[in-house]
Amino acid sequence: GENVGLHLPTLSVQEGDNSIINCAYSNSASDYFIWYKQESGKGPQFIIDIRSNMDKRQGQRVTVLLNKTVKHLSLQIAATQPGDSAVYFCAENMGDRDDKIIFGKGTRLHILP
Amino acid sequence: DAGVIQSPRHEVTEMGQEVTLRCKPISGHDYLFWYRQTMMRGLELLIYFNNNVPIDDSGMPEDRFSAKMPNASFSTLKIQPSEPRDSAVYFCASRAFRDSNQPQHFGDGTRLSIL
Repeated sequence: GENVGLHLPTLSVQEGDNSIINCAYSNSASDYFIWYKQESGKGPQFIIDIRSNMDKRQGQRVTVLLNKTVKHLSLQIAATQPGDSAVYFCAENMGDRDDKIIFGKGTRLHILP
Repeated sequence: DAGVIQSPRHEVTEMGQEVTLRCKPISGHDYLFWYRQTMMRGLELLIYFNNNVPIDDSGMPEDRFSAKMPNASFSTLKIQPSEPRDSAVYFCASRAFRDSNQPQHFGDGTRLSIL
């Protein structure tokens, strides 16, 4: 069935370096993608989103890239800080203005001192 | 602004007991979603409402689960009778309706343990 998946379950990055978290999706009809950050004991927190008519969107220290040709989504975090330690989820809607979104399994970002 | 508020934050009860989880969405949001999160299955959508009306409950695991939204500012998820396999973190999320897509905003969840 349709699925959103993540390539790496755990990513370790040196503090100050850039982080790149990847996500593959399989539903070619999806037109809206979201990245969430989940810290221990908290709910997923919205980071940034992107619509399928864009291939890049930037926020504060974060950039999301969308490659529809290969159905790939990535989240780039610049100058990674200890506070960036969390699990990151990508999510996609199912297209056709569906109200539901489907979450990937998540990638844990570990910051090395 | 207050975010999505869930209560209780933690619930421990014995199997067979009724469990009621509560959610207050962000004011003005038209959609409300209930999710369950476990290590094995990740984040699963259980049910969602639009303007207080249940739209899709295909994710509700069994008849033991029920959800209501009596008004725009309150929703409950009930499990009766509860079983140990229901142990999980339950999240509520809400979002606004716009012409274009909008992100969901999550509460901090209820950690449920059924003994």
